[in-house]
Amino acid sequence: AQTVTQSQPEMSVQEAETVTLSCTYDTSESDYYLFWYKQPPSRQMILVIRQEAYKQQNATENRFSVNFQKAAKSFSLKISDSQLGDAAMYFCAYRSAHAGKSTFGDGTTLTVKP
Amino acid sequence: NAGVTQTPKFRVLKTGQSMTLLCAQDMNHEYMYWYRQDPGMGLRLIHYSVGEGTTAKGEVPDGYNVSRLKKQNFLLGLESAAPSQTSVYFCASTRDLRGYNSPLHFGNGTRLTVT
Repeated sequence: AQTVTQSQPEMSVQEAETVTLSCTYDTSESDYYLFWYKQPPSRQMILVIRQEAYKQQNATENRFSVNFQKAAKSFSLKISDSQLGDAAMYFCAYRSAHAGKSTFGDGTTLTVKP
Repeated sequence: NAGVTQTPKFRVLKTGQSMTLLCAQDMNHEYMYWYRQDPGMGLRLIHYSVGEGTTAKGEVPDGYNVSRLKKQNFLLGLESAAPSQTSVYFCASTRDLRGYNSPLHFGNGTRLTVT
């Protein structure tokens, strides 16, 4: 079974600074997708960014980018120019391209200090 | 476009009572999921469905049943609620397992308390 590990239960960053959230996963598959989801206090789960395993290029979405290291099975999220609205819990998720289930990490709570 | 709608938003049950959570999506998605989220933890998969009329067990299926009689609806049932089932429940759906439409779309969650 696939597992996803987020080793940082809590992180904090100063407004306008950069922060990196870590995620590692375990799988024997070669074709899969990785996601970062954000859960603000409103509880709504929001997609931040996605990465296809067959793509070597790291995904970027505005201030959010990933460092995808397939061989190391690592998928970290970098948030640049942090804003107060980035404060939330962030979840890393894995899904096989051939099976329906998604596996989530336990989350990292990000605090942004003004 | 409502997306994924969960009802109810909140519920309090006594031990042994039963209830059904409803998830409805209007995006014609094939895949639907029920997760539970406990404090300080990630989402754990209870049951899922890969299409109308199909269901499958996830990581933590005990104490729950599901049905997907219509493509747009995925029901989660608790036959005899237990305090260990106190949690926030999320429904999610996706159109495809690959490509642009592969991310999950989530409902807003149902907070269930069992006393």
